[in-house]
Amino acid sequence: GAVVSQHPSWVICKSGTSVKIECRSLDFQATTMFWYRQFPKQSLMLMATSNEGSKATYEQGVEKDKFLINHASLTLSTLTVTSAHPEDSSFYICSARSTSGRAREEQFFGPGTRLTVL
Amino acid sequence: SQQGEEDPQALSIQEGENATMNCSYKTSINNLQWYRQNSGRGLVHLILIRSNEREKHSGRLRVTLDTSKKSSSLLITASRAADTASYFCASPASNTGKLIFGQGTTLQVKP
Repeated sequence: GAVVSQHPSWVICKSGTSVKIECRSLDFQATTMFWYRQFPKQSLMLMATSNEGSKATYEQGVEKDKFLINHASLTLSTLTVTSAHPEDSSFYICSARSTSGRAREEQFFGPGTRLTVL
Repeated sequence: SQQGEEDPQALSIQEGENATMNCSYKTSINNLQWYRQNSGRGLVHLILIRSNEREKHSGRLRVTLDTSKKSSSLLITASRAADTASYFCASPASNTGKLIFGQGTTLQVKP
């Protein structure tokens, strides 16, 4: 149980285009999902907290108009990188936290999406 | 901002040896978690230790927590080549649920 999927697993796009990444909790409901970015050989940096039915909370320095987050249901959050530039190339990872029980302490991570902007 | 610091940044050992990684954090925590990440992949949750626990075991993993020193260690015993990965400690920031990750330790286990 507690599986989180991401789609696509990798994407290459041209500079200036927008890319949407999906994060789904497959066998549990998640009121909260988190989006992280990871550059090569670095740790994960939290970008934003996605709450079902409300606006996302962005970390300091993360442009909310550039990284659009939509958490439309208890099992799906999407991250759209708008007007992507080469410096947005990174590994994007989502995680989901269960709605109930002690599992709320634990986050379940997706496999990540490798974005390359040409 | 990242509140966790880990050392060493990189560790290379022979198969069968033990590997110890350390993590320090700055603020009070309710729990501390360790994750593993294989190259280019997502994170796998390894173990969670609560602030009122001092030591926890899971298979070949042993985690300790010293809240007075704001530090934790992860010990992998009898390492295997398949343990080659990056290991991160993480702690929840307040009651928001968001995790703050350490810088990570890259472990290489040579066969």
